[in-house]
Amino acid sequence: DAKTTQPTSMDCAEGRAANLPCNHSTISGNEYVYWYRQIHSQGPQYIIHGLKNNETNEMASLIITEDRKSSTLILPHATLRDTAVYYCIVRGSGGGADGLTFGKGTHLIIQP
Amino acid sequence: DTAVSQTPKYLVTQMGNDKSIKCEQNLGHDTMYWYKQDSKKFLKIMFSYNNKELIINETVPNRFSPKSPDKAHLNLHINSLELGDSAVYFCASNPSGRYNEQFFGPGTRLTVL
Repeated sequence: DAKTTQPTSMDCAEGRAANLPCNHSTISGNEYVYWYRQIHSQGPQYIIHGLKNNETNEMASLIITEDRKSSTLILPHATLRDTAVYYCIVRGSGGGADGLTFGKGTHLIIQP
Repeated sequence: DTAVSQTPKYLVTQMGNDKSIKCEQNLGHDTMYWYKQDSKKFLKIMFSYNNKELIINETVPNRFSPKSPDKAHLNLHINSLELGDSAVYFCASNPSGRYNEQFFGPGTRLTVL
């Protein structure tokens, strides 16, 4: 699995868009970018994933650069409940049942 | 509610004891996992169980053993508990073939005294 680099922490004002970056310069052609988040005292929650096209679902949007070396998770209208640690994971879609590797993630704090 | 559930939510025990944590998923998934999150918040895979095939993280002591009575359950047994086993343990599962889209349980906080 390719290594990812994320900022340790970020702040965002409530109601604004939260943009969380992730660098994955060693990503290979068959690896996808996955995002999870972990709200305090809860289990991790899958958010979204993508290969090279931008993706959007009810939770967030994922923008992947054309060279695929970095991506941005966008929470369009952040609320206080979006305060959490966000993890960017790069992995082949087949992956295999050997579990996910979580890094340190970005601690996103939504300010009222 | 469809979900991954774990019992107990909190477990406090003495060193040397043997304990079990239970996990159940009613999502119809056929792959289940156990993760450990230590005091520094690092989340690490311990085991995965898929169609009766067990994949073990080589760093996990053999005092830990998963047991799956059926596809919906993956329990974690821990023998001779040590202080360093104190952590939050998460169970997870995924839809068939979608190994990277996992659903996690709420966690079990284990404290060994």
